[in-house]
Amino acid sequence: DADVTQTPRNRITKTGKRIMLECSQTKGHDRMYWYRQDPGLGLQLIYYSFDVKDINKGEISDGYSVSRQAQAKFSLSLESAIPNQTALYFCATSDPGTEDTGELFFGEGSRLTVL
Amino acid sequence: KQEVTQIPAALSVPEGENLVLNCSFTDSAIYNLQWFRQDPGKGLTSLLLIQSSQREQTSGRLNASLDKSSGRSTLYIAASQPGDSATYLCAVRGQGSSNTGKLIFGQGTTLQVKP
Repeated sequence: DADVTQTPRNRITKTGKRIMLECSQTKGHDRMYWYRQDPGLGLQLIYYSFDVKDINKGEISDGYSVSRQAQAKFSLSLESAIPNQTALYFCATSDPGTEDTGELFFGEGSRLTVL
Repeated sequence: KQEVTQIPAALSVPEGENLVLNCSFTDSAIYNLQWFRQDPGKGLTSLLLIQSSQREQTSGRLNASLDKSSGRSTLYIAASQPGDSATYLCAVRGQGSSNTGKLIFGQGTTLQVKP
């Protein structure tokens, strides 16, 4: 089983619909992230969380919200999806620990298409 | 603002060739640099992580170097194989974002190794 699991893996929806992407991890990491990947643009950070009570905006947070339900769970919501939110979404984790290498571990991605 | 560029965007080589992928970044004040591999429709797999104090890292047929002063990193793949075909992404974590885990990604180099 993957250490970082995203659901759904693929979703097609219509403009204006509310969508939730979920991420769960078994790595025991405190830090979790949501990134978005668009063709030719690399990955951009949407939101990140250091623990259950800590949520921070990334580069492109407009139109998105997140919830950190537990250490192991971090969900991303699109309250009213629009076509330019069509992208591949990645959840990632990291663990500063006593020696913070800064390494991130990614899930397999959730492909969202907004019609 | 940190910017990460990868050249070339695409590369096709015959099997067995040694090859070099390039990554450049505009701000040399980095915490670390990470190389990832992404297969079509899949997530990101971490290949090598180089801390700012290091000059290179090796894993099997892969060798990554880092020259902070010139803002460059290279990923060297020895004796390429068709299974190496994928998109390779480099990502930089700035010193200022050492507490966020925020990575700045390049657009990637898509590699095709022909049998």
